[in-house]
Amino acid sequence: NAGVMQNPRHLVRRRGQEARLRCSPMKGHSHVYWYRQLPEEGLKFMVYLQKENIIDESGMPKERFSAEFPKEGPSILRIQQVVRGDSAAYFCASSPLGPREAFFGQGTRLTVV
Amino acid sequence: AQSVAQPEDQVNVAEGNPLTVKCTYSVSGNPYLFWYVQYPNRGLQFLLKYITGDNLVKGSYGFEAEFNKSQTSFHLKKPSALVSDSALYFCAVLLGGGADGLTFGKGTHLIIQP
Repeated sequence: NAGVMQNPRHLVRRRGQEARLRCSPMKGHSHVYWYRQLPEEGLKFMVYLQKENIIDESGMPKERFSAEFPKEGPSILRIQQVVRGDSAAYFCASSPLGPREAFFGQGTRLTVV
Repeated sequence: AQSVAQPEDQVNVAEGNPLTVKCTYSVSGNPYLFWYVQYPNRGLQFLLKYITGDNLVKGSYGFEAEFNKSQTSFHLKKPSALVSDSALYFCAVLLGGGADGLTFGKGTHLIIQP
């Protein structure tokens, strides 16, 4: 059983471009969480999704950020019109039951130039 | 609102000595508590968690943590440190029954000196 797979591992975007980050949960996991880690800081919760539903997006910025977890395929975190402040490591976690049993991916490191 | 504090940015320990990485929390209700470790350019690896039951929790790689409700603490410990334990350690809390994500501390760099 492969772990949580995130791709790409590293992503460079110019200001104003779009960034799409993918997360394939572990087999049998229907809960997905996205976190952002800014330099020298801990992880901040962004959004919690189950298949085709957003359960909690209280940590998502109101503009430019969106997330989805379709019935088929990976979960996608989309950042439109990226700015330098979006540079961070974005981690995805998946779980069969909820956040108590979450397994983390290796993260996508986004650099905005 | 729930919060986690890791008061030390960095902890230095000589190899073979016991180590402690501190964590205190603030939640209204029964907390679920977690420790994760992050190696350079890697994701988070789960170490251990406290949900209920025995206050002393044993986890991966010889680590353990003690839940202290009166002091609202969940310090991470290991009797004998290894150089390979050098990494970034995160404490996290989840309010019992909560549907949203974990709240993480800022992390503590653990440096084990040979």
